[in-house]
Amino acid sequence: QKEVEQNSGPLSVPEGAIASLNCTYSDRVSQSFFWYRQYSGKSPELIMSIYSNGDKEDGRFTAQLNKASQYVSLLIRDSQPSDSATYLCAVNMETSGSRLTFGEGTQLTVNP
Amino acid sequence: NAGVMQNPRHLVRRRGQEARLRCSPMKGHSHVYWYRQLPEEGLKFMVYLQKENIIDESGMPKERFSAEFPKEGPSILRIQQVVRGDSAAYFCASSPDWAYGYTFGSGTRLTVV
Repeated sequence: QKEVEQNSGPLSVPEGAIASLNCTYSDRVSQSFFWYRQYSGKSPELIMSIYSNGDKEDGRFTAQLNKASQYVSLLIRDSQPSDSATYLCAVNMETSGSRLTFGEGTQLTVNP
Repeated sequence: NAGVMQNPRHLVRRRGQEARLRCSPMKGHSHVYWYRQLPEEGLKFMVYLQKENIIDESGMPKERFSAEFPKEGPSILRIQQVVRGDSAAYFCASSPDWAYGYTFGSGTRLTVV
């Protein structure tokens, strides 16, 4: 089992739809969770962080965390073509010390 | 307030040469991380450093790779005797504390020919 696993892509949604990106992690004691966006050929950009159970909203982005289920998700409302990128889930796990462990990423395409 | 600065952006080396990658963290950030990303793959942790200390190098290959973060100057990732399999994007990231998310630099794209 991978330490951080993301739903397999690629994911394609029409413009204006909700894109749902999912991530599970193996270490139950994990404390910090992050979502990064990476455009092709560019570096990852931090878009959301979440530390406690529940929802956290920032503009069109909502992160959801369920520690009991070891699950974190990212919802993108009113998806735009500019949201087309690879989304990386990252977890700070007790077993990994003080570093982030990244999932393989989910490639999202928003079709006009 | 400049972000994480990496140089060079692109680096071409012949097999057997040395590659030296530099990273200056954001002002106020004392934690530096190096990650490698192969084409169409995820980010793989290499090493975590603070000033003058290697905190975690569990992701570094045992041979040919080394990293440092001296008291003065940027962090350096050094790859000796490069091979074609070292061709990848190398990203440096920094944070003010281990519990915070990272800010990534633009990366160095290393090509070994």
